[in-house]
Amino acid sequence: TQLLEQSPQFLSIQEGENLTVYCNSSSVFSSLQWYRQEPGEGPVLLVTVVTGGEVKKLKRLTFQFGDARKDSSLHITAAQPGDTGLYLCAGEGAGTASKLTFGTGTRLQVTL
Amino acid sequence: DTEVTQTPKHLVMGMTNKKSLKCEQHMGHRAMYWYKQKAKKPPELMFVYSYEKLSINESVPSRFSPECPNSSLLNLHLHALQPEDSALYLCASSQGHAGGGANEQFFGPGTRLTVL
Repeated sequence: TQLLEQSPQFLSIQEGENLTVYCNSSSVFSSLQWYRQEPGEGPVLLVTVVTGGEVKKLKRLTFQFGDARKDSSLHITAAQPGDTGLYLCAGEGAGTASKLTFGTGTRLQVTL
Repeated sequence: DTEVTQTPKHLVMGMTNKKSLKCEQHMGHRAMYWYKQKAKKPPELMFVYSYEKLSINESVPSRFSPECPNSSLLNLHLHALQPEDSALYLCASSQGHAGGGANEQFFGPGTRLTVL
């Protein structure tokens, strides 16, 4: 069974601070997706990383896929209240294209 | 159009009721999914349809019955549910191709189901 552990589980920071969320597994994934979900809404896809060592930037968000494609990180620079939400990583296993393994989730709260 | 729509937004039903959840996408995706999400937990996969055929059933109780009338529509029929089935039910779709990042899943807004 593939597992994805996210850390931290919960993060409360002030506007302007930087933060990093980690997504770790002992399994190799062919790709990894990051989502943000707000209460009562569906997850919104932020980015997909495919190549080991790949780095993608989305405005103040920087995503990195580990060299061995077993882990990923999300770094947010100068967090804003609009960044508040549940961040989920999800890995696509090799040979299991229709199944995503979701991470345990990181709940981020950004206050003024 | 990159949207997955779900109806209804909210549903309250008794344990003897029969109801259906609906999902629609017009992105030409060939894989569609049902997930169940409890509060403060990640989504749990229930069913996967690939090219309108059921390809994965994650040992879901028979009181949940999926249906894929065509490549754009996905239904989830509910009958004799239990209070513990109360959750956010999410539909998603993807292109359906293996690997290479081409299987990005796009989620609908969900249906908040309450079983009394």
